[in-house]
Amino acid sequence: TQLLEQSPQFLSIQEGENLTVYCNSSSVFSSLQWYRQEPGEGPVLLVTVVTGGEVKKLKRLTFQFGDARKDSSLHITAAQPGDTGLYLCAGAGAGGTSYGKLTFGQGTILTVHP
Amino acid sequence: EAQVTQNPRYLITVTGKKLTVTCSQNMNHEYMSWYRQDPGLGLRQIYYSMNVEVTDKGDVPEGYKVSRKEKRNFPLILESPSPNQTSLYFCASSSGTDRWEQYFGPGTRLTVT
Repeated sequence: TQLLEQSPQFLSIQEGENLTVYCNSSSVFSSLQWYRQEPGEGPVLLVTVVTGGEVKKLKRLTFQFGDARKDSSLHITAAQPGDTGLYLCAGAGAGGTSYGKLTFGQGTILTVHP
Repeated sequence: EAQVTQNPRYLITVTGKKLTVTCSQNMNHEYMSWYRQDPGLGLRQIYYSMNVEVTDKGDVPEGYKVSRKEKRNFPLILESPSPNQTSLYFCASSSGTDRWEQYFGPGTRLTVT
């Protein structure tokens, strides 16, 4: 079974602060996705990273895939109240018996106070 | 509109009473999957399907069954529900390949008493 450890589980910060969420595993993933989930809704895809060392930016959000494709981070610059939500990372199995399997981190509940 | 639909959205049932949660997608995706979400545990994959008539176990398949007779539908069956299956369930679909991006339904909140 693949595991994806996501930290921190909770983040409560003031508007304008920066933050980083981490996802770590001992397993190699073929791709890693980040999702955001609002209460009462399904997760919505933010970004997918596929190549080791890849960095993607979405406005104030920066996503990085580790060189060995075992870990990833999400960095938010100058957080805003609208960033409040549950953030989830998910890794796709790289092959063999894990091909087709998706493993999710436990999630990070982010609260940004005005 | 591209979407994944689930029904019902809310369900309260009793232990042992068989139930089915339906899932349908209109994106012609080959890959479909079921997850359960519990506080502090994130989403855990129950079953997934790479294509019609091809299904495989995820990390928590015990107590669940699935079938994939048509590309668009992937129902989740609980033949004898128990209280530990009380959870929030999500169906998702994906075009697969190397990106595996999941498009989720709105969720089904199941309570088993």
